[in-house]
Amino acid sequence: RKEVEQDPGPFNVPEGATVAFNCTYSNSASQSFFWYRQDCRKEPKLLMSVYSSGNEDGRFTAQLNRASQYISLLIRDSKLSDSATYLCVVNIRSNFGNEKLTFGTGTRLTIIP
Amino acid sequence: EAQVTQNPRYLITVTGKKLTVTCSQNMNHEYMSWYRQDPGLGLRQIYYSMNVEVTDKGDVPEGYKVSRKEKRNFPLILESPSPNQTSLYFCASSTWRGLAKNIQYFGAGTRLSVL
Repeated sequence: RKEVEQDPGPFNVPEGATVAFNCTYSNSASQSFFWYRQDCRKEPKLLMSVYSSGNEDGRFTAQLNRASQYISLLIRDSKLSDSATYLCVVNIRSNFGNEKLTFGTGTRLTIIP
Repeated sequence: EAQVTQNPRYLITVTGKKLTVTCSQNMNHEYMSWYRQDPGLGLRQIYYSMNVEVTDKGDVPEGYKVSRKEKRNFPLILESPSPNQTSLYFCASSTWRGLAKNIQYFGAGTRLSVL
């Protein structure tokens, strides 16, 4: 089982629609969770951190479910500029105390005019 | 301006010719990491470093070396590049402290082709 799993998509969604992605992680000791956005051939950039209580940033809402070990990202009123690949990122603490940040393979989103 | 700088951005080389990709960050971050990104496989970690002189293997370390002699620099070395190392490489850094803990900042990427 992969440490971090995402549905690769692609998701083709009409402009203005709401879209949601999920991401599951295998290590129950993980403590930090993030969503990154990556445009084609560019570097990933932080979209938002994910907090235990859930958090919102404008049209974006992130949720964490520790019991089921998944995080989600909801995008409301989607814009053409939201077209990108969305990467789920989780920190994994090893048995030796090292922390390793692990990326999912990404979910590709295309907003259609 | 806070940034992670990778060089070169593009590199075409031949099998067996040693090369180094440099990475430098100006944010005083403890943690630095190298990833490669390939179609359908996403970002895979090659090596990471939790601080100066502390490095560890990621998921795909074979064929690569790193060093962390200074906090700001984390070069990636390919002693004898092979065509299967053709990929897009990213360097990233992050801190362990404060509100920015574990948020990774990426360089712009190095596109490497090994012929």
